[in-house]
Amino acid sequence: NAGVTQTPKFQVLKTGQSMTLQCAQDMNHEYMSWYRQDPGMGLRLIHYSVGAGITDQGEVPNGYNVSRSTTEDFPLRLLSAAPSQTSVYFCASSYSFSRLGHNEQFFGPGTRLTVL
Amino acid sequence: DAKTTQPNSMESNEEEPVHLPCNHSTISGTDYIHWYRQLPSQGPEYVIHGLTSNVNNRMASLAIAEDRKSSTLILHRATLRDAAVYYCIPLASGTYKYIFGTGTRLKVLA
Repeated sequence: NAGVTQTPKFQVLKTGQSMTLQCAQDMNHEYMSWYRQDPGMGLRLIHYSVGAGITDQGEVPNGYNVSRSTTEDFPLRLLSAAPSQTSVYFCASSYSFSRLGHNEQFFGPGTRLTVL
Repeated sequence: DAKTTQPNSMESNEEEPVHLPCNHSTISGTDYIHWYRQLPSQGPEYVIHGLTSNVNNRMASLAIAEDRKSSTLILHRATLRDAAVYYCIPLASGTYKYIFGTGTRLKVLA
């Protein structure tokens, strides 16, 4: 298993540009999520999904869109990049709580995004 | 959401036990207590979780106070590889919103 993969590893954008961060998992996990981590801070939840076709907002959803058309993929779209979105972005996945009660999340290696 | 309080940083000598405390006095009766850690330049990784009784796994032990207002993550023999930021995360059963906080940065001295 490749686990959770994220692309790209690094990205530099100009203010106003849009882009999509890719996240994929091959563990057949229902639950997937996106976090951002600013320097010296903990992770903050952006959006999450409990299955294909179902998404919901986390703590800091503004400026980001998500969709979940397949179990494997959960892309994060920045609509109009701003310097405040400079951060490291992590994707995570796990089995849903309804199956195992509680379970561990598996995190990807992260995408480091800089917005100029 | 339950609030957590963790020390900003702790130090330990290699090969010695480490006790990482977490205060979660506003936890509700059905909140599980999760611990994750984040090694430098990596995504977080799961360490352990529990509800009421103490829990052990190959990585660590979790001691939960009887009133559940605090818990302690125990690394039995710290190694240099255990240097990381450790996050304590109460999570209500059936919810999905992990609140990471700022965690405790553990430094392990050789």
